[in-house]
Amino acid sequence: KNQVEQSPQSLIILEGKNCTLQCNYTVSPFSNLRWYKQDTGRGPVSLTIMTFSENTKSNGRYTATLDADTKQSSLHITASQLSDSASYICVVSAADSSYKLIFGSGTRLLVRP
Amino acid sequence: NAGVTQTPKFRILKIGQSMTLQCAQDMNHNYMYWYRQDPGMGLKLIYYSVGAGITDKGEVPNGYNVSRSTTEDFPLRLELAAPSQTSVYFCASSYRASGGAEQETQYFGPGTRLLVL
Repeated sequence: KNQVEQSPQSLIILEGKNCTLQCNYTVSPFSNLRWYKQDTGRGPVSLTIMTFSENTKSNGRYTATLDADTKQSSLHITASQLSDSASYICVVSAADSSYKLIFGSGTRLLVRP
Repeated sequence: NAGVTQTPKFRILKIGQSMTLQCAQDMNHNYMYWYRQDPGMGLKLIYYSVGAGITDKGEVPNGYNVSRSTTEDFPLRLELAAPSQTSVYFCASSYRASGGAEQETQYFGPGTRLLVL
């Protein structure tokens, strides 16, 4: 069964600190992996998209890594800001005949001053 | 560009009532999608469309219908509302070139919060 699991479910950090969010998936065949940021009451916004051949991609203070062999990804946030408080969703695309994205349930991050 | 817009923002329905959730995009995207997001769960695909006149079922299509008469609009219809359809509904769009790989960015609307009582 295609699944995407994220950890931790929630995380509280102090402003200025770094943090790393984890994503494990069992989606096969694999096409690409995406990280989204979802502010409360808003729609998700894309941060990064990585294909099988990419093992790291950055978007400002956000850096995503992908290990396709172990089927794991991480999202590292550097020098956190209050505006980073949001849910971060890992999404894996299955490369089969039907268009399908499998969404994780997200990690809820709270950055405190 | 307004991006992806959705109306209404919030709606309360009684069991058995019908309604249409509106979605529009002004980015000339060919792909459009409807998702639902239940509390603590990942988004699930309800229906999607690869272009005007073409729609297909996603993971959880039961109880919903869609149409795509224009590139810009992709309404979602609930015919007989049930409490299980209480959720937040997101519309999204993306552009994929003909023969292009499945790597395009999806742009999401702000969501419609639906409560069925």
